[in-house]
Amino acid sequence: NAGVTQTPKFRVLKTGQSMTLLCAQDMNHEYMYWYRQDPGMGLRLIHYSVGEGTTAKGEVPDGYNVSRLKKQNFLLGLESAAPSQTSVYFCASSYLIGGPAKNIQYFGAGTRLSVL
Amino acid sequence: GENVEQHPSTLSVQEGDSAVIKCTYSDSASNYFPWYKQELGKRPQLIIDIRSNVGEKKDQRIAVTLNKTAKHFSLHITETQPEDSAVYFCAAANQAGTALIFGKGTTLSVSS
Repeated sequence: NAGVTQTPKFRVLKTGQSMTLLCAQDMNHEYMYWYRQDPGMGLRLIHYSVGEGTTAKGEVPDGYNVSRLKKQNFLLGLESAAPSQTSVYFCASSYLIGGPAKNIQYFGAGTRLSVL
Repeated sequence: GENVEQHPSTLSVQEGDSAVIKCTYSDSASNYFPWYKQELGKRPQLIIDIRSNVGEKKDQRIAVTLNKTAKHFSLHITETQPEDSAVYFCAAANQAGTALIFGKGTTLSVSS
């Protein structure tokens, strides 16, 4: 099992360009997440999905869109990239177990994005 | 929504000392509190977690305590080793348990 795979690993964009980050998981997890990590800011939740065809906003959703057309894939889109979106992006997937539920998240290796 | 505060932001200890990282959360409905470790250039990985119906949990040299009344929880690492050097994140689940809100992280440096 590969776990959680993110593509691409690195990307450089010019301001105003668009791109899509792909996250794929082979663990049959119901839940998937996109985070951004900036120095001193921790992991901030952008959007998440609790199942195929569903999406929800996280802490910092502005400037991003997501889609979950297949259970194993979660796409993060930047329609018009801005320098403020320069960051490391992490995808994660999880399942809930027990009660109170444990949300155990497995992370991908990250995508380093620079917007010039 | 949930807000998680984490302190300190940096922590330096000598090998063999103990390290304590503290977090507070705002949503009294939160029921699950995990801790993740991120080594330099790596992905975050779960190291220990605690549910709201438990006050303390131990796993070898690491332990987590939870005070639901005060809405704070802590990570304790005993007999620290250089390989414990990393960034540690606390998190709290949202009310539905479907998402985690992370603290800003603590950079732990263990010198030998």
